[in-house]
Amino acid sequence: GAVVSQHPSRVICKSGTSVKIECRSLDFQATTMFWYRQFPKQSLMLMATSNEGSKATYEQGVEKDKFLINHASLTLSTLTVTSAHPEDSSFYICSARDLGTADAQYFGPGTRLTVT
Amino acid sequence: DQQVKQNSPSLSVQEGRISILNCDYTNSMFDYFLWYKKYPAEGPTFLISISSIKDKNEDGRFTVFLNKSAKHLSLHIVPSQPGDSAVYFCAADWSGSARQLTFGSGTQLTVLP
Repeated sequence: GAVVSQHPSRVICKSGTSVKIECRSLDFQATTMFWYRQFPKQSLMLMATSNEGSKATYEQGVEKDKFLINHASLTLSTLTVTSAHPEDSSFYICSARDLGTADAQYFGPGTRLTVT
Repeated sequence: DQQVKQNSPSLSVQEGRISILNCDYTNSMFDYFLWYKKYPAEGPTFLISISSIKDKNEDGRFTVFLNKSAKHLSLHIVPSQPGDSAVYFCAADWSGSARQLTFGSGTQLTVLP
């Protein structure tokens, strides 16, 4: 099946610094990638939809200047958490839609961000 | 406003028995439904899906039932195995959404040996 990778899997950073998370579709092309956030014991919350070659579409309540999304190629999307604060600590998950089979999204393994 | 609801946060089932996970939705625009399984600190894994033109889809031990009139779907796992213990998310999609999934809050399934 289709594989989506995320890097890093786990990151600890100091408050005020920025962190970049990469999401890659390894064996398929994805014009659309999605970024989710999951708090402990809560559902997956869609943050933004990332479209290759265009600006991301952010969900209501998500600060686009804080969560910078770049989808530079059909296999790579990045999420940069700028000026991170402890409340940004969370589990961030990306997913990618396979151009060939549009009936399911494939998820990355997630990135655990801890801001101290 | 929660458009996809999983009202049971947890479910415990004995190994070998049937697990039934339920999901309700409110948006009649949804035309595709998916179930994902998630282990802690991992991304969700796609399990099974169903289109709104069907009322049942089966894949091995997993069967999803859709009742459109009731806006209800359920996932049956038979027989349940300890390795099935995970959080199960129901998700809904509609063709006009660019495949933005709307997730339920999840149900923690524990299969007891």
